[in-house]
Amino acid sequence: AQKVTQAQTEISVVEKEDVTLDCVYETRDTTYYLFWYKQPPSGELVFLIRRNSFDEQNEISGRYSWNFQKSTSSFNFTITASQVVDSAVYFCALRGGSIKAAGNKLTFGGGTRVLVKP
Amino acid sequence: GAGVSQSPRYKVAKRGQDVALRCDPISGHVSLFWYQQALGQGPEFLTYFQNEAQLDKSGLPSDRFFAERPEGSVSTLKIQRTQQEDSAVYLCASCTGSFGIDTIYFGEGSWLTVV
Repeated sequence: AQKVTQAQTEISVVEKEDVTLDCVYETRDTTYYLFWYKQPPSGELVFLIRRNSFDEQNEISGRYSWNFQKSTSSFNFTITASQVVDSAVYFCALRGGSIKAAGNKLTFGGGTRVLVKP
Repeated sequence: GAGVSQSPRYKVAKRGQDVALRCDPISGHVSLFWYQQALGQGPEFLTYFQNEAQLDKSGLPSDRFFAERPEGSVSTLKIQRTQQEDSAVYLCASCTGSFGIDTIYFGEGSWLTVV
C-alpha cells in the first residue's frame, strides 16, 4: 500500500519569507514518481513538478525548489521569497511505476494550506 | 479547450436524487481518472479508464457510483440516490499514457452539495 503524509496542515507567513512544506511517503515499489500540485481557490490541481525515484538530484525552478531524499523517504518543497499569489493548498502525491492499472493512480497527502500575508 | 473540462462546475442535489457529472479530457489522452475530494482533505482515487476500458474501480465507495467512458474520450460519473456524505468535489484527470512516469492533469472539478 502507498501512503503520503503531509504533517503540516496550515502554514502562515509574511510576504518575502521562505516556506518549506514537508512530505513523507511510503511505498513498496522500487520505481515510483513523486509529484507536487498546487490547488488555488478555484479548485483546479495545478501540476508543479514530477520527480523519478531513481533521480535524487534536487531541482530549482524560479522561486520553487525541491529536496528529494530517498534515505528518509521525503520530498520537501520550498518556496523562496513567498508572494501573496502563492497562497493555496499544496499537495504531495505518489504514483507507482508499475504498468499495472493499480499502479497508475496517484496517492495524495492531506495537503498543506499556505497563507501568505502582505 | 486545452485542459480537462468538467461540467457542471456546481451542483446542488436533494438527497435521493441522481446526478451525472461530465468530464472532457485533454484530446488524445488515453488514461482518465476520477477522484473525490472531501472538504479539507486530499483527493482520493475513485476509478481509472484506459481508453473505454474501466481497468480499476476499486475506489468507488458504493454501488451507487457508476462511471463510463463509452467511446474512450468523454466520461460520465453517475451517482444514484445521493446521500449527504456524497458532498464533495469530484475531480477528473487525464494523461497521455498508462505509465507511472506520465503527468496527470486535472480539471477544476464538479462541486456537489447534497441537501
